[in-house]
Amino acid sequence: QKEVEQNSGPLSVPEGAIASLNCTYSDRGSQSFFWYRQYSGKSPELIMSIYSNGDKEDGRFTAQLNKASQYVSLLIRDSQPSDSATYLCAVTGGYSTLTFGKGTMLLVSP
Amino acid sequence: DTAVSQTPKYLVTQMGNDKSIKCEQNLGHDTMYWYKQDSKKFLKIMFSYNNKELIINETVPNRFSPKSPDKAHLNLHINSLELGDSAVYFCASSPDRRSNEQFFGPGTRLTVL
Repeated sequence: QKEVEQNSGPLSVPEGAIASLNCTYSDRGSQSFFWYRQYSGKSPELIMSIYSNGDKEDGRFTAQLNKASQYVSLLIRDSQPSDSATYLCAVTGGYSTLTFGKGTMLLVSP
Repeated sequence: DTAVSQTPKYLVTQMGNDKSIKCEQNLGHDTMYWYKQDSKKFLKIMFSYNNKELIINETVPNRFSPKSPDKAHLNLHINSLELGDSAVYFCASSPDRRSNEQFFGPGTRLTVL
């Protein structure tokens, strides 16, 4: 059974701080890793994808992947109240079968 | 224009009824999915179709039957609804079956009374 683990939170950070969201996965054969953001009552929205070890930056977001440790993280710099949402880590090793974690709720206070 | 759309947005029905949820994508994608998100917000794949062909069928009761009339549409029919079917159902699409970048519809909140 493939598993993706995330701390459910909430993770509370002040506005302007760096938010660090973490995810571990059980399947060593996993090849693709994604972060989705889900606002309350809305659908998941893809914000980052990463496929190889190291860091990938996109604006205020940085995804980090360490396949040896089976660990993927998302850093959000200069956090804004509008970043308050649940962040879902998703992992796949094959044809489009995404396994999602249960998500980490992030609260950014003004 | 909406990329992935679903109807209805809300569905309230009695136990034992049969209902359908419709999904359409105008992205030109080949692959479409149905996910269920339960009250604990856990998002789980149910089905996937690639060019109208079923490619993923997770452990889902056979009361749930997907139908894809063409690659832009994927509908979900549910027979004999049960209380435990209450959830938000999301449709999603991706460019093809190898692409894992999936785009989600707005969801259908199903409440079974």
